[in-house]
Order: sequence, then C-alpha cells, then structure tokens
Amino acid sequence: AQSVTQPDIHITVSEGASLELRCNYSYGATPYLFWYVQSPGQGLQLLLKYFSGDTLVQGIKGFEAEFKRSQSSFNLRKPSVHWSDAAEYFCAVGSGGYQKVTFGIGTKLQVIP
Amino acid sequence: EAQVTQNPRYLITVTGKKLTVTCSQNMNHEYMSWYRQDPGLGLRQIYYSMNVEVTDKGDVPEGYKVSRKEKRNFPLILESPSPNQTSLYFCASSPFAGVDQETQYFGPGTRLLVL
Repeated sequence: AQSVTQPDIHITVSEGASLELRCNYSYGATPYLFWYVQSPGQGLQLLLKYFSGDTLVQGIKGFEAEFKRSQSSFNLRKPSVHWSDAAEYFCAVGSGGYQKVTFGIGTKLQVIP
Repeated sequence: EAQVTQNPRYLITVTGKKLTVTCSQNMNHEYMSWYRQDPGLGLRQIYYSMNVEVTDKGDVPEGYKVSRKEKRNFPLILESPSPNQTSLYFCASSPFAGVDQETQYFGPGTRLLVL
C-alpha cells in the first residue's frame, strides 16, 4: 500500500530565509508525486508535480522539489520565503492513471517577520 | 471562470438526518473525487469517479454514497450522518489528458457539523 510521511507537522521560518519541507513516500513502482498548498479557509492548489524525467521540478510561486528515488523522498524547497507563503503544505503520492492518491498529514508553515 | 463549486459551504445537522453536498465543475473533467480533511489525519479519499456512471471507493467510504449521472456533477450523500462524520469536505476534479493531467482542482470546501 502506498503512503506518505511528512515528518514536520509545524515549521516556523523567518521571512527571507530558505525553506525545505520534507516528504517521504512508500510506493512499489515509479510514483506520481505532488505538492499542494492550502491557504487558510481555502481549497488546495497544486504547486508542482513529478511523473518522470528531470528529477528537479519547478513549480509555481518560486517553489521547487527534487525526487530522490534512493531516499524515497520528494522534498519541497524555496530559496527565500515570503509572508504570503504561510499556509499548510501537503505532499501526495499516486500510481497514475487516476487510481488512488494518498496525501500526507500536512506541514503547517508559519512565517515570522 | 474555471472552478469547482460546492454547496453548502457550511452545514450543521443532527444525527440521522439525510443530507447531500453538491459538487459541480465547469472544466469538462472526467475525474472527480471527494476527500475529508481532519486535524492530524490530512486528506483522506472517500470516493472517486473516473467518468459518468463509474465510481469507486477510496480509503474511507463507510457512511457515504456518491453518484455520477452527469459529467459535471458529483454529489456526496450522507444517508444517516453521525457525529464522527463531522469534518471538512473537499471535492476535486481533474482531466485525463493535457498539461493538467493528474492535477486535481479543489473546491472551496464544505464544513459539516453533525450534532
């Protein structure tokens, strides 16, 4: 069975600092990997996704993520955080073909001035 | 505007009183799905649909029903709600092909309280 682990439930960073949110997955074959962001009171929005090819994926809002098969990881990074990045971030794994998608429990990001 | 809409956005009900949460998308997406979000548990899939008249169970289908009679609509039915179904519910849709393949577009959520 597929699963996702986001080990950090809550992270606080200073505005302008770099950010890395961790995601580890468990899946038998090549996974479809996603990062979604949820702003307070909103639905989820896709930041980026990885299916195949280049393991460094660029997304919206200046985010990027790197797929590391050997570590079963898909960590999300941003070089300089803005106050508007405060939100909850979800990593997800799927098998492709619109079968089940499994989400992690989320990491809540707080940005301090 | 391309969007997924849900109604109602907020609902307070009592145990056992049947309710329906509607979900509609205007993007002609084939795939639609329902999730519930609970603190510490993230999003868990309830049901999903690959197309009209094609639905399947997700991780937590007990106590829920769905139907997909039209491509744009995917209502979630709670025939006898219980307090453990108090949650935040999201509907999502996705196209089968194109640059948005496998990308789910989420509705704004429906917050349900069952007393």
